[in-house]
Amino acid sequence: NAGVTQTPKFQVLKTGQSMTLQCAQDMNHEYMSWYRQDPGMGLRLIHYSVGAGITDQGEVPNGYNVSRSTTEDFPLRLLSAAPSQTSVYFCASSYSSGGRHSSSYEQYFGPGTRLTVT
Amino acid sequence: KNEVEQSPQNLTAQEGEFITINCSYSVGISALHWLQQHPGGGIVSLFMLSSGKKKHGRLIATINIQEKHSSLHITASHPRDSAVYICAVNYGGATNKLIFGTGTLLAVQP
Repeated sequence: NAGVTQTPKFQVLKTGQSMTLQCAQDMNHEYMSWYRQDPGMGLRLIHYSVGAGITDQGEVPNGYNVSRSTTEDFPLRLLSAAPSQTSVYFCASSYSSGGRHSSSYEQYFGPGTRLTVT
Repeated sequence: KNEVEQSPQNLTAQEGEFITINCSYSVGISALHWLQQHPGGGIVSLFMLSSGKKKHGRLIATINIQEKHSSLHITASHPRDSAVYICAVNYGGATNKLIFGTGTLLAVQP
């Protein structure tokens, strides 16, 4: 298994440009999430999905869109990039290790995308 | 006050030392995770705990649900253990949402 893959690894955008960060997993995990990591702060949840066709907002969703058309893919779209979106972005997938009624989820993270908006 | 707090924020140790990193949380949780991130690198899950203690090689993680506290121990530390260690909690019942601590930067010197 490739696990969780993200592309690109690095990206520089100008203010106002749009782009899509790609995330894919080959483990058939139902849950996928996008986080951003900024210096001095813990990772923060942007958007998440509990299965194909289902997405919801996290803690910091403004300026980002997601979709989940397949179990494998969970792209993150920046609609109009702003310098405040300069960050490292991590995609993660997870599954409930205790079965359907468990609330404990094993986490698998992608390698990250380092985004700079000038 | 952050819902997940780690201490210390920075830790320097000599090779071979026993290391403890602490995590306290203020919300009800279903599980707690310890993660490792090497400089410029990705994030790797080390442990997921809902009770008791787990051991993997030189790493030991414990959790006390009543006291809302967890510790990550590294025995016989090595320079390759130098990384950021992050505590995160699953909260809110049957949800996969995580709250993260800000991490502990560990440097192990030879």
